[in-house]
Amino acid sequence: DIQMTQSPSSLSASVGDRVTITCRASQSISTYLNWYQQRPGKAPKLLIQATSRLESGVPSRFSGSGSGTDFTLTITSPQPEDLGTYYCQQSYSTPWTFGQGTKVEIK
Amino acid sequence: QVQLQESGPGLVKPSETLSLTCTVSGRSINGYYWSWIRQPPGKGLEWIGYIHYTGSTDYNPSLKSRVTISVDTSKNQFFLRLSSVTAADTAVYFCARSDTLLVGYYFDFWGQGTLVTVSS
Repeated sequence: DIQMTQSPSSLSASVGDRVTITCRASQSISTYLNWYQQRPGKAPKLLIQATSRLESGVPSRFSGSGSGTDFTLTITSPQPEDLGTYYCQQSYSTPWTFGQGTKVEIK
Repeated sequence: QVQLQESGPGLVKPSETLSLTCTVSGRSINGYYWSWIRQPPGKGLEWIGYIHYTGSTDYNPSLKSRVTISVDTSKNQFFLRLSSVTAADTAVYFCARSDTLLVGYYFDFWGQGTLVTVSS
């Protein structure tokens, strides 16, 4: 199985800050990397697929980059509604696996 | 808009079989892969497996010996069966559509999730 490791596990940011979440794969996964946001008590929501392709309706303050084993989700100027837990997920090979999550608090 | 809805018992006894249904509306089940994903309380996400509308499946090896996913295209539903459950199987179970556009598969539509508790 491909292990996905996210850092940090949690963070607190102020409106207007720049938030960076990293995701590292245990082997190269090319750009087969997706990002999800999960608000408390809700199902995850797809934000970015194929490393950097923003889903329709997702604000442009979200962006993704990377390739191989190292990936980044960036939130420029986070808003209060961006609180929640963010997960990366690889689809390079099954079993598809998720990172352990990064909990984001907005001050 | 695609909508998914999980249904099934919220309480299952240890050693018994967990059975859930996912009903898809707004779009035909044909043409896609459909997954089950679970999340133990306060923990992360675990992919259980998927089924293609043609019936082909792939399961997480960690659960493969106990999992069966099936589909009924006439009812636009797919199903999860997990046998010999223990307390470790207590989780919110999500169904989701798996789609692809450029590279790899992603989960673009999700059900709201259903909590299944394993307890006597």
